[in-house]
Amino acid sequence: QSALTQPASVSGSPGQSITISCTGTSSDVGSYNLVSWYQQHPGKAPKLMIYEVSKRPSGVSNRFSGSKSGNTASLTISGLQAEDEADYYCCSYAGSSILFGGGTKLTVL
Amino acid sequence: QVTLRESGPALVKPTQTLTLTCTFSGFSLSTSGMCVSWIRQPPGKALEWLARIDWDDDKYYSTSLKTRLTISKDTSKNQVVLTMTNMDPVDTATYYCARMRIGEGYSYEYWGQGTLVTVSS
Repeated sequence: QSALTQPASVSGSPGQSITISCTGTSSDVGSYNLVSWYQQHPGKAPKLMIYEVSKRPSGVSNRFSGSKSGNTASLTISGLQAEDEADYYCCSYAGSSILFGGGTKLTVL
Repeated sequence: QVTLRESGPALVKPTQTLTLTCTFSGFSLSTSGMCVSWIRQPPGKALEWLARIDWDDDKYYSTSLKTRLTISKDTSKNQVVLTMTNMDPVDTATYYCARMRIGEGYSYEYWGQGTLVTVSS
């Protein structure tokens, strides 16, 4: 099982929207609505931002949203803020295992 | 309040066996649907899922590492232990434990702070 594919980096200006893609296969992302997204600031543990493709845990800003089409999931951040600058990882249930993406570094210009 | 904390050696030699302990509070691993996983992150690299143990003692392992990993739990102590044999410098990473609930989309809402393990002679 290979890691999910994410772009290495994305960037945007404050107030703009960005989307991070996460491509898997029909054995993971495509088969289950069990994609989650994590935000990680340097030196910190990951933080859950989205689960079950599009649900937000309590306390997560509604500027964060998720979606899925076929084997590709997406995380959209609207109204970019400086504190959104971080690494983002997608994650998918894959039957007997869990797969993470390679991570995307978000730079807020 | 759910907390998890990893503990173990900061430095291990190549070929040695690593034993990490995750001590948690705020939930019971005997509760239906509760799971604890180990996830690691080499410096500057991506997260990698290693293993998971469920409330009913079902265990799951990374395909690429399953021959080297063993996960176990001590429900009375609120601990999950991961052993990894034949350590190599490429296993240098921060090791995290995290809680998953089956009913919450197989996602990890709670994480430990991580423990850095360096493999070097």
